[in-house]
Amino acid sequence: EIVMTQSPPTLSVSPGERATLSCRASQYVSNSLAWYQQKPGQAPRLLIYGASTTATGIPARFSGSGSGTEFTLTISSLQSEDFAVYYCQQYNDWPLTFGPGTKVDIK
Amino acid sequence: EVELVESGGGVVQPGGSLRLFCAASGFTFDDHTMHWVRQAPGKGLEWVSLITWDGSRRDYTDSVKGRFIISRDNGKNSLYLQMNSLRAEDSAFYYCVRDGQWLVLDYWGQGALVTVSS
Repeated sequence: EIVMTQSPPTLSVSPGERATLSCRASQYVSNSLAWYQQKPGQAPRLLIYGASTTATGIPARFSGSGSGTEFTLTISSLQSEDFAVYYCQQYNDWPLTFGPGTKVDIK
Repeated sequence: EVELVESGGGVVQPGGSLRLFCAASGFTFDDHTMHWVRQAPGKGLEWVSLITWDGSRRDYTDSVKGRFIISRDNGKNSLYLQMNSLRAEDSAFYYCVRDGQWLVLDYWGQGALVTVSS
């Protein structure tokens, strides 16, 4: 099983600032990597797939990069609605596995 | 608009059974593979199972193999998860999820809560 790790566990950011979240896979996953956002009491929402392709309806301030085992989600200028937990997920091998999440909260 | 609505959750004793339902609308159901993903309260996400559009392929995470059965009825735009021999560690929100393009989970339902407790 591919183990996904995320850092940092919590990221404190002021509105308008840039946030950079990291995700690492224990094995090579090519670009088969997705990012999800989850707000309290809500289901996850797909943000990024294919490591860098933005999903439908996702604002341009969200971007993804990386390949192989190291990936990054960047939020260029945090808005109030962006404070949430972010999960990465690999889909290169079975079973599909998620990282433990990074919580982005208000500084 | 894509909509996925789960039902069938509840409280069940260890060793018991429960069947989850997912009603899909707003898209061509039989064009898509479907998944179940679960999340224990306050915890992370765990993929549980998938079924291809025609039911020809079904996969499960190891911890539920032999206990859970995924199925679908394309005529009713419905996805199901039969859960048997339930354990305390199966307690979670269970999300019905659409597969947008092979293994990309693009739309999620709001979840059904399953609690396994005596």
